[in-house]
Amino acid sequence: DIQMTQSPSSLSASVGDRVTITCRASQRISSYLNWYQQKSGKAPKLLIYAASSLQSGVPSRFSGSGSGTDFTLTISSLQPEDFATYYCQQSYTTPLTFGGGTKVEIK
Amino acid sequence: EVQLVESGGDSVQPGGSLRLSCAASGFIFGTHWMSWVRQAPGKGLEWVANINQDGSAKGAVDSVKGRFTISRDNAKNLLYLHMNSLRDEDTAMYYCARDKVTGDSFFDSWGQGTLVTVSS
Repeated sequence: DIQMTQSPSSLSASVGDRVTITCRASQRISSYLNWYQQKSGKAPKLLIYAASSLQSGVPSRFSGSGSGTDFTLTISSLQPEDFATYYCQQSYTTPLTFGGGTKVEIK
Repeated sequence: EVQLVESGGDSVQPGGSLRLSCAASGFIFGTHWMSWVRQAPGKGLEWVANINQDGSAKGAVDSVKGRFTISRDNAKNLLYLHMNSLRDEDTAMYYCARDKVTGDSFFDSWGQGTLVTVSS
């Protein structure tokens, strides 16, 4: 199985900060990498697919990059509604696997 | 508007069975792969199983193989997860998620989830 490792597991940031979350795959997955946002008590929401494609309706402050084994989700200017947990997920092969999550908290 | 509504979650004893359902609307259900994803309390997301458009191809995580079966009824726009021999570790919120038509796989719509609790 492909293991997905996210870092950090949590971070504290202020409104307006630039935030970067990394995701590393245990083997090369090309660009088969998706990012989701989950707020407390809610279902996940797709932010980025295929490593760098912004899902329709998602604000442009979210961006994704990377290929192979190393990927990044960047929030260019953190907004109050962005405080949530973020997950990466590989879609290269089954079993589809998620990272452990990164909780973004208010500083 | 795409809608996915799960139902069937309950509290059951270890070794018991449940059938989860997901009612889809707002899109052509039979053109999409579909998946079940679960989340144990306070934990991360875990993909459980998926199924292709006509049900001829299925996949599942090893921990549920032989116990859970995914199926679909395209005429009724319903996705199912048949769960047998339930274990404590199957306790989780179960989400259905819409996947690809073709090409890149990603979950672009999710239901609100249905809670399964396995406990004696």
